[in-house]
Amino acid sequence: NAGVTQTPKFQVLKTGQSMTLQCAQDMNHNSMYWYRQDPGMGLRLIYYSASEGTTDKGEVPNGYNVSRLNKREFSLRLESAAPSQTSVYFCASNPTGGSNEKLFFGSGTQLSVL
Amino acid sequence: AQSVTQPDIHITVSEGASLELRCNYSYGATPYLFWYVQSPGQGLQLLLKYFSGDTLVQGIKGFEAEFKRSQSSFNLRKPSVHWSDAAEYFCAVDSGGSNYKLTFGKGTLLTVNP
Repeated sequence: NAGVTQTPKFQVLKTGQSMTLQCAQDMNHNSMYWYRQDPGMGLRLIYYSASEGTTDKGEVPNGYNVSRLNKREFSLRLESAAPSQTSVYFCASNPTGGSNEKLFFGSGTQLSVL
Repeated sequence: AQSVTQPDIHITVSEGASLELRCNYSYGATPYLFWYVQSPGQGLQLLLKYFSGDTLVQGIKGFEAEFKRSQSSFNLRKPSVHWSDAAEYFCAVDSGGSNYKLTFGKGTLLTVNP
């Protein structure tokens, strides 16, 4: 039972480069999320997908795009990376997005933008 | 808007000692409240949650938390800390909509001395 799988685990980019962070869950969850974690800031929601075919902005969406490819996969794209996007990125999912459901997290992607 | 405050950035306790991590929230009605734990290099894992009813909730790994409406608090406790409890702990509040409205505190790093 893999849960939520994120790739890659580590990535170094130069300013202006693009890349896509991949996330897949095997729990048949409807809702998926992308968070970033910065020291002393806790987790902040970038984008979420309440269900397949829908995506919405979270608290800090600027500089990112997302794709809900199918029910399993939710990718996060940085079109032109900036040093301010250096962070640890977490993908999460839960069954329907309801308040009474816990989030299942992946193990994170550590991204450095030089 | 809802908010979460974790007053302690870093706490150090000795193994076997009791632990209390503080969490204060700001929200007009009764929120949904959560405690998550993050071990080094890992994603977050739910420890416990409060929605309604008994204000003392039990979680995994021997943790408990008490909801106090009068103090707008949801403090996490453990009677006897183990070295494996060393991690970062996040309090989170949901205003009762959907999980995309979850707001995380900035976290409390717990160090356990032998």
